[in-house]
Amino acid sequence: NAGVMQNPRHLVRRRGQEARLRCSPMKGHSHVYWYRQLPEEGLKFMVYLQKENIIDESGMPKERFSAEFPKEGPSILRIQQVVRGDSAAYFCASSPDYPTNEKLFFGSGTQLSVL
Amino acid sequence: AQSVTQLDSHVSVSEGTPVLLRCNYSSSYSPSLFWYVQHPNKGLQLLLKYTSAATLVKGINGFEAEFKKSETSFHLTKPSAHMSDAAEYFCVVSDGQAAGNKLTFGGGTRVLVKP
Repeated sequence: NAGVMQNPRHLVRRRGQEARLRCSPMKGHSHVYWYRQLPEEGLKFMVYLQKENIIDESGMPKERFSAEFPKEGPSILRIQQVVRGDSAAYFCASSPDYPTNEKLFFGSGTQLSVL
Repeated sequence: AQSVTQLDSHVSVSEGTPVLLRCNYSSSYSPSLFWYVQHPNKGLQLLLKYTSAATLVKGINGFEAEFKKSETSFHLTKPSAHMSDAAEYFCVVSDGQAAGNKLTFGGGTRVLVKP
């Protein structure tokens, strides 16, 4: 059973471009969480999704950021018109059911660099 | 609201000597507490968790942590450091009341192990 898969591992974008980060949860997991880690800081919650539904997006910036978890395929975190401040490591986690912290598995992250 | 403070951003120890990573938390509810480790270019790995059972929690790789409610602390210790322990460590709290597994991370402690 493969772990949580994130791609790409590294993503470089110029200011104003779009960034799309993908997360494939572990097999059988229907809950996905996105966290952002700014340099020298801990991870901060962004959004929690179940299949086709956004459950909690209280950590998402109000503009330019969106997330989806379609019925088929990976979860996507989309950042439009990126700025230098978006440079960070973005981690995805998945769990098989709600709400158990004990079964939360993290991916290796996507490092976004905005030039 | 919940928060986590890791009192040391960097800790340097010699191989074979004890490791102590300090963590204080605040939470409105009875919290669940975790320690995660992040090796370079890797995802987060759960070391141990406290969920209102025994206050002394044993984890993987010889780590343990003690929950002290009166001090609102959850310090991580290991009797004898190994070179492979060099990594970043995160103390994490979840009050279990929020939708899903919304975790609050501390700022991290980077551990350096000297030979």
